[in-house]
Amino acid sequence: GENVEQHPSTLSVQEGDSAVIKCTYSDSASNYFPWYKQELGKRPQLIIDIRSNVGEKKDQRIAVTLNKTAKHFSLHITETQPEDSAVYFCAASSGGGADGLTFGKGTHLIIQP
Amino acid sequence: DAGVIQSPRHEVTEMGQEVTLRCKPISGHNSLFWYRQTMMRGLELLIYFNNNVPIDDSGMPEDRFSAKMPNASFSTLKIQPSEPRDSAVYFCASSPGRQTGELFFGEGSRLTVL
Repeated sequence: GENVEQHPSTLSVQEGDSAVIKCTYSDSASNYFPWYKQELGKRPQLIIDIRSNVGEKKDQRIAVTLNKTAKHFSLHITETQPEDSAVYFCAASSGGGADGLTFGKGTHLIIQP
Repeated sequence: DAGVIQSPRHEVTEMGQEVTLRCKPISGHNSLFWYRQTMMRGLELLIYFNNNVPIDDSGMPEDRFSAKMPNASFSTLKIQPSEPRDSAVYFCASSPGRQTGELFFGEGSRLTVL
């Protein structure tokens, strides 16, 4: 089955700086790569996703890049703000997400004021 | 729509007791997923249903766990008998299907087994 590795497990950045979280996956058939944000005590919520026919996608301050050859994808957050503090999960799926997602272990992002 | 609704939000029980967690997916969503979240193992997919039919239960830890979806608006996850290592947050999520891969999670049920 699919295995998703995520790094780092904790990331502390100064407010206004950029943050990068990286993930690798094992199943070359995976074609859908979403990112979820989970605030303390809350549910995970989708913030951005990318499909295998696209190399990069951007939405305001967040962007995701995908390298299918190397089987890795990354989340980039620019101009970080205090409300960006949360746990971020990457995930992968070979069925476009319809057959469930395999999640990474999460990255705890801390924005230092 | 109220989103995915789970109950109970918190459950504290003693080892050996039966636990039933409930989920109401978003109306019109064809797929329903049960996930378990712990610090050590992260978010694990336990089982998912498409159109009320269980498709993949390979993530269910052992025979003590069972899940049902008797109709499109209700699903249960049952643990019998419960053990302390079952303590976790159990999330139910629903999805419209292949048109989009987005999962819409419920608030979760925090289970503590003493």
